[in-house]
Amino acid sequence: GAVVSQHPSWVICKSGTSVKIECRSLDFQATTMFWYRQFPKQSLMLMATSNEGSKATYEQGVEKDKFLINHASLTLSTLTVTSAHPEDSSFYICSARPSGRANSYNEQFFGPGTRLTVL
Amino acid sequence: GNSVTQMEGPVTLSEEAFLTINCTYTATGYPSLFWYVQYPGEGLQLLLKATKADDKGSNKGFEATYRKETTSFHLEKGSVQVSDSAVYFCALRNFGNEKLTFGTGTRLTIIP
Repeated sequence: GAVVSQHPSWVICKSGTSVKIECRSLDFQATTMFWYRQFPKQSLMLMATSNEGSKATYEQGVEKDKFLINHASLTLSTLTVTSAHPEDSSFYICSARPSGRANSYNEQFFGPGTRLTVL
Repeated sequence: GNSVTQMEGPVTLSEEAFLTINCTYTATGYPSLFWYVQYPGEGLQLLLKATKADDKGSNKGFEATYRKETTSFHLEKGSVQVSDSAVYFCALRNFGNEKLTFGTGTRLTIIP
C-alpha cells in the first residue's frame, strides 16, 4: 500500500514551453502533497507544500508564478513549469501525506520522480 | 536553519561486507531523524527512523542510533547484499513540523 505515482517519468521540452507533471496517490487520500527538486549530487529541496482545495505554500526563493501547483482532489496534485528554460532542468519529486489520524508520524510517501530536460 | 550532511558516494562494497554511511545534522530543537532508501526506478521509501536521543531505528538488518551529543545518525549494516544497492538519504524533521530536510544521498553498490 501507500503508492505514489508520477507522470511522466521523463520529459524533454523546448525552451519557452510549459510542462505539467502529475503526482497521484494510488491507494490513499492525501490532503497534503509536497514537491521537491533535486539537482545532481545535491539534496532534495522542498519547493512547495500543496494542500487540497487551497493555495500552495511556496518555500523562500521559489517563484510561484513559475511553478504552478494545483491540488484539485485528494489523490492528485500537478506541478506546471511555465515558460521553461534550461536552468529549470532537474529531477522533480513529489510526496504525499496520508490523511487521517493513523498517520501520527506525518509520514510521507514518495513518487519515483520526473526528469525534466529543457533544450 | 536545519541541515544534513552525509557521506559522499558512491560507495562500492563486496557482498557480506560491513556498511557504514555517516550522517550528521544541524537543527534547532529536537528533530526526528530518518533514513530513506531509493531503489532504481522507485520512489524514496522510509527505511528507519528515531524520534529522540539514544533511540535506535532498525529495519531489514540496517540500524542507526540517534546520538545527540555528536549530532549524528550513522547508518550501519553488518552484512550487505546485492539487493541493498540503492541510494540512501539521511533526513530530519523538527517536532511539530511536517517539512523534511534531506542530505545529498549516498549511492551504494554491492558487488557479488
